[in-house]
Amino acid sequence: EDKVVQSPLSLVVHEGDTVTLNCSYEVTNFRSLLWYKQEKKAPTFLFMLTSSGIEKKSGRLSSILDKKELFSILNITATQTGDSAVYLCAVSSGTYKYIFGTGTRLKVLA
Amino acid sequence: DVKVTQSSRYLVKRTGEKVFLECVQDMDHENMFWYRQDPGLGLRLIYFSYDVKMKEKGDIPEGYSVSREKKERFSLILESASTNQTSMYLCASSLVAGYVYEQYFGPGTRLTVT
Repeated sequence: EDKVVQSPLSLVVHEGDTVTLNCSYEVTNFRSLLWYKQEKKAPTFLFMLTSSGIEKKSGRLSSILDKKELFSILNITATQTGDSAVYLCAVSSGTYKYIFGTGTRLKVLA
Repeated sequence: DVKVTQSSRYLVKRTGEKVFLECVQDMDHENMFWYRQDPGLGLRLIYFSYDVKMKEKGDIPEGYSVSREKKERFSLILESASTNQTSMYLCASSLVAGYVYEQYFGPGTRLTVT
């Protein structure tokens, strides 16, 4: 059965800290891995990764995929209170099939 | 910017009622999806549609049906609501097949069935 596991389940840090969120997967017919940020409403897209070893960056956020070891990490540097959210990892195994992890809840304290 | 809207943010219904959740996207996306999100279970796919009048069951279709009469609109129907359908319902859309595209999500409808 396809599955996506995220860790840790939750995390509390202080502003300015760096955090690393993990996503491991066992999925047949891997197509891509996606990261989303969910505050109190719609998940918003952060990154899509298809190739191993190529880092994607957007401001203080970055992500990388290891297709050999079947995992991805999402790094957030110099965290701010606005980074507080649930971060979702999803793996696509087909055009319509996205398998989601249960998310990592990040709380950043001022 | 892609915009996906859902008809209600919060909804309270009684057991046995018929419930309609509507989703509209404004970016001419071919694919539309309905998920439910429950604590500890993540997002689970209920149904998806890849074209007008076309639909496919997801992982948990029991107790639900869908309708897609127009490209921009995808409706989720609970024929006879039950308390175990209390959940957050998220609609999403994406561009078409042949490649994987990111999904764009609506704000969600939190449905409570009493």
